[in-house]
Amino acid sequence: EAGVVQSPRYKIIEKKQPVAFWCNPISGHNTLYWYRQNLGQGPELLIRYENEEAVDDSQLPKDRFSAERLKGVDSTLKIQPAELGDSAVYLCASRGVGGNYEQYFGPGTRLTVT
Amino acid sequence: QKEVEQDPGPLSVPEGAIVSLNCTYSNSAFQYFMWYRQYSRKGPELLMYTYSSGNKEDGRFTAQVDKSSKYISLFIRDSQPSDSATYLCAMSYNQAGTALIFGKGTTLSVSS
Repeated sequence: EAGVVQSPRYKIIEKKQPVAFWCNPISGHNTLYWYRQNLGQGPELLIRYENEEAVDDSQLPKDRFSAERLKGVDSTLKIQPAELGDSAVYLCASRGVGGNYEQYFGPGTRLTVT
Repeated sequence: QKEVEQDPGPLSVPEGAIVSLNCTYSNSAFQYFMWYRQYSRKGPELLMYTYSSGNKEDGRFTAQVDKSSKYISLFIRDSQPSDSATYLCAMSYNQAGTALIFGKGTTLSVSS
């Protein structure tokens, strides 16, 4: 079974430019998470989807960040415009239904804003 | 004060040593406690999962939760160079899929 797929793996952009990250969760997983991991820190939630509905986006900086999960499968996270402080690893995770509690993480997209 | 505190290390030990990793937390509402392992340039992967207080053992790994002290531990016996990674503790309030609250991670290096 394929794991969580993310692309690109690495992205370098100049500040004020837009950037987008893509995530394909494990097949059948209805819960999808976007976390941000700053250097030397643990991941912090940006947004959580249950199917196509965003159920927790309280930590998403909505002035510049947006996300979507069309058809409740793939998801895209966008930043526009990017700032220097957005440099981090953006992790996507997914979780199955029922009693399976585990969140499965993708390899992340490492963003560098110059 | 952050909800979950974890000493970032780094921690360096020789092969075969017993390793002790720890986290403290402030919110007594946490019920589920996890340890994730993260290799360089990879996403975190679940290592151990514990509900409420108690111990859980899996091979060379033992997780302990002391809710009265708000303290959790991960012990690694007979540590191997392949154990070299960052270990993240994580907690959640329920099993309903809410976000995990992570510590900042402890970087472990096991030398052969």
